[in-house]
Amino acid sequence: AQSVTQPDIHITVSEGASLELRCNYSYGATPYLFWYVQSPGQGLQLLLKYFSGDTLVQGIKGFEAEFKRSQSSFNLRKPSVHWSDAAEYFCAVGLLSNDYKLSFGAGTTVTVRA
Amino acid sequence: DSGVTQTPKHLITATGQRVTLRCSPRSGDLSVYWYQQSLDQGLQFLIQYYNGEERAKGNILERFSAQQFPDLHSELNLSSLELGDSALYFCASRDGHRGYGYTFGSGTRLTVV
Repeated sequence: AQSVTQPDIHITVSEGASLELRCNYSYGATPYLFWYVQSPGQGLQLLLKYFSGDTLVQGIKGFEAEFKRSQSSFNLRKPSVHWSDAAEYFCAVGLLSNDYKLSFGAGTTVTVRA
Repeated sequence: DSGVTQTPKHLITATGQRVTLRCSPRSGDLSVYWYQQSLDQGLQFLIQYYNGEERAKGNILERFSAQQFPDLHSELNLSSLELGDSALYFCASRDGHRGYGYTFGSGTRLTVV
């Protein structure tokens, strides 16, 4: 069955430390891959996306993600987190055949401690 | 401001009632998507409209319906509301020329009591 999995429900990280959020997908073909962030009371903001080409993708707010076909993964990273990075992060996949609709993972909540 | 406007931001209503959520897409975007975010189901695609026509349907209940008007705004109608319908409802719009270039609104939080 097609699915998007974010194994970590909640991650706590110290300010200034590195962050890695995991995302695995299960689809017949390589889908389009996205990371969104949702701050409390806000909508979803696109951090970055991967369609093809270079497997290391740079996004906004200092985030990057690496696509690994062999592992069906698209993990999100940030070298040094800021208190403002506390939010919920969603991995999403899309297939061209589905009129560009997105399937989201369950989300990972990131808490940043001082 | 993302350019996608959703009203109201918050809605509290009783079981059995009917509500209408409204979405104004980004200027020029022809596609509108509705997503539901609930604690138990996560973020789920409900329905998509393109230039007034329904294009795709997801896990949308029969009690829910939607439409897109000639001015491209969309409304999601939820009827015979149940406690489990309490959720955050997002609208997103997409420019057909931008592929997966979604813009999400800030959502309508529906609480059914």
